[in-house]
Amino acid sequence: NAGVTQTPKFRILKIGQSMTLQCTQDMNHNYMYWYRQDPGMGLKLIYYSVGAGITDKGEVPNGYNVSRSTTEDFPLRLELAAPSQTSVYFCASSLAGSGKTQYFGPGTRLLVL
Amino acid sequence: DQQVKQNSPSLSVQEGRISILNCDYTNSMFDYFLWYKKYPAEGPTFLISISSIKDKNEDGRFTVFLNKSAKHLSLHIVPSQPGDSAVYFCAASPHSGGSNYKLTFGKGTLLTVNP
Repeated sequence: NAGVTQTPKFRILKIGQSMTLQCTQDMNHNYMYWYRQDPGMGLKLIYYSVGAGITDKGEVPNGYNVSRSTTEDFPLRLELAAPSQTSVYFCASSLAGSGKTQYFGPGTRLLVL
Repeated sequence: DQQVKQNSPSLSVQEGRISILNCDYTNSMFDYFLWYKKYPAEGPTFLISISSIKDKNEDGRFTVFLNKSAKHLSLHIVPSQPGDSAVYFCAASPHSGGSNYKLTFGKGTLLTVNP
């Protein structure tokens, strides 16, 4: 049982490039989330999904896209990377309903130059 | 508009003493609260939670206290150990409604426990 896994661990992008951050969970959780954490700040919700085929915007969705074709996977797509997207990205998952505890992956550190 | 506030960016305590981390919230709809611990280069890990129907929840060395009237919660660690050195995030969630699974996080408090 690996929990929540994220790839890559670290990536450098040039301005205008695109990439996909991968997230997989093996706990059969319905709910999945993407957060970003900027230095000295808390985690801000980018997108979330309550089940396969269902996604919705969080607090800071601009510049990102997501899809959820399976229960296990929740990739985050960055189109036209900008320096403002330099951050650490965390994926998380939780049980549906009253299971509020979210379980986090190790994070992807992204640097946009 | 910060709905969950951790006003102390850092806290330093001696090993064996009590660590008290504080958190304030402004949204009256919040009624479930969690503490997460985060080591460098790792994801946050769940530590302890409390529902608004309680004013205290204890798990080993960790106790969370909730004061609903003051919209304040605190995490007590007794006794503190060097391995507790990490960033601690307070998070909150509304009980009901369409967003009851969403968490709002504070900025975190860096705890350093000195040997």
